[in-house]
Amino acid sequence: GAVVSQHPSRVICKSGTSVKIECRSLDFQATTMFWYRQFPKKSLMLMATSNEGSKATYEQGVEKDKFLINHASLTLSTLTVTSAHPEDSSFYICSARPPSSTDTQYFGPGTRLTVL
Amino acid sequence: GEDVEQSLFLSVREGDSSVINCTYTDSSSTYLYWYKQEPGAGLQLLTYIFSNMDMKQDQRLTVLLNKKDKHLSLRIADTQTGDSAIYFCAEGFSGGYNKLIFGAGTRLAVHP
Repeated sequence: GAVVSQHPSRVICKSGTSVKIECRSLDFQATTMFWYRQFPKKSLMLMATSNEGSKATYEQGVEKDKFLINHASLTLSTLTVTSAHPEDSSFYICSARPPSSTDTQYFGPGTRLTVL
Repeated sequence: GEDVEQSLFLSVREGDSSVINCTYTDSSSTYLYWYKQEPGAGLQLLTYIFSNMDMKQDQRLTVLLNKKDKHLSLRIADTQTGDSAIYFCAEGFSGGYNKLIFGAGTRLAVHP
């Protein structure tokens, strides 16, 4: 149980284009999903918290107009990187929290974004 | 503020025990977690401990928590080559949006 998927697993795009990454909780409903960014050999940095049916909460320093988050249903959240630039190249990981007492987050396999 | 620190690298011989250490600054966390990340993959939850516990054992894994010193450790008994990965500790906070604060990760290398 508690499986989270991401699509695509890897994407290469040209500078200036937009890329959408999907995060799905496959066997549970997630009212809250999280989006992280991981730089090479670095930790995960929380970008934003996504709540179903409401606006995402962004961490300090994260541009909400550049990283658009939509949490349209209890099993799907999307992250759209708009007007991507090479510095946006990174490993993006989502997580979802099932409604349980442990507050545990389950992570997706990640999406490797490369912007040329 | 919130800060979680780990040593970056640990090398052990196959069959030995591995101990990965983590320190944190914010004592208001509710849970502390250990995640494992294999190359090119997302994070796999290994185990977690409630902040009012001292120890938790789960098969080959033993988690020790010293809340006074804000120190968390993960011991892997009989370390195998399949245990080679990056191990992240994380603090979890209840209330609000339940965010996690991660350490930078410890790369565990297991050699014959």
